[in-house]
Amino acid sequence: DIQMTQSPSSLSASVGDRVTITCRASQGISSWLAWYQQKPEKAPKFLISAASTLQSGVPSRFSGSGSGTNFTLTITNLQPEDFATYYCQQYNNYPLTFGGGTKVEI
Amino acid sequence: EVQLVVSGGGFVQPGGSLRLSCAASGFTLSTYGMSWVRQAPGKGLEWVSGINDSGDSPYYADSVQGRFTISRDNSKNTLYLQMYSLRAEDTAVYYCAKDRTTVTNFWDYWGQGTLVTVSS
Repeated sequence: DIQMTQSPSSLSASVGDRVTITCRASQGISSWLAWYQQKPEKAPKFLISAASTLQSGVPSRFSGSGSGTNFTLTITNLQPEDFATYYCQQYNNYPLTFGGGTKVEI
Repeated sequence: EVQLVVSGGGFVQPGGSLRLSCAASGFTLSTYGMSWVRQAPGKGLEWVSGINDSGDSPYYADSVQGRFTISRDNSKNTLYLQMYSLRAEDTAVYYCAKDRTTVTNFWDYWGQGTLVTVSS
């Protein structure tokens, strides 16, 4: 199975900050990586696929990069509605696997 | 508007069974792969099972292989997860999720989730 490791597990930030979340795969997954945002008691929301392709409707302050084993999600100019938990997910191989999540807090 | 409405969760004793349903609307279910993803209380996301658009290729996480069965009835626009031999560690909110295109294994729409509690 491909293990996905996110770091940090949590971070504190302020409105207007730039935030970077890292996701590392235990083996190469090309660009077969998605990112999701989840708020408490809500279903996850799809943000990015293919490591860097922004879903329609997602603000451009979100961006993704990387390939192979190392990936990042960057949020520039953090907004109040961005405080949430973020998950990466690989879809290169079954079983599909998620990172452990990164909680972005005030 | 795409909607996924999950039902069937509840309280069950260890060793029991439960069937979850995911009713789809706003799109043609038969042209998309679908998955079930769960989240134990206070924990992260775990993919449980997925199925292709026609329903003839199911996939399972090792943790549920042999105990859970995913299926779909495209004529009823409904996805199912039949769960047998439930264990305490199966306690979670279960989400159904729609593939972004035909079969992509990442998901652009999610249901609201249903809580399954396995306890004696």
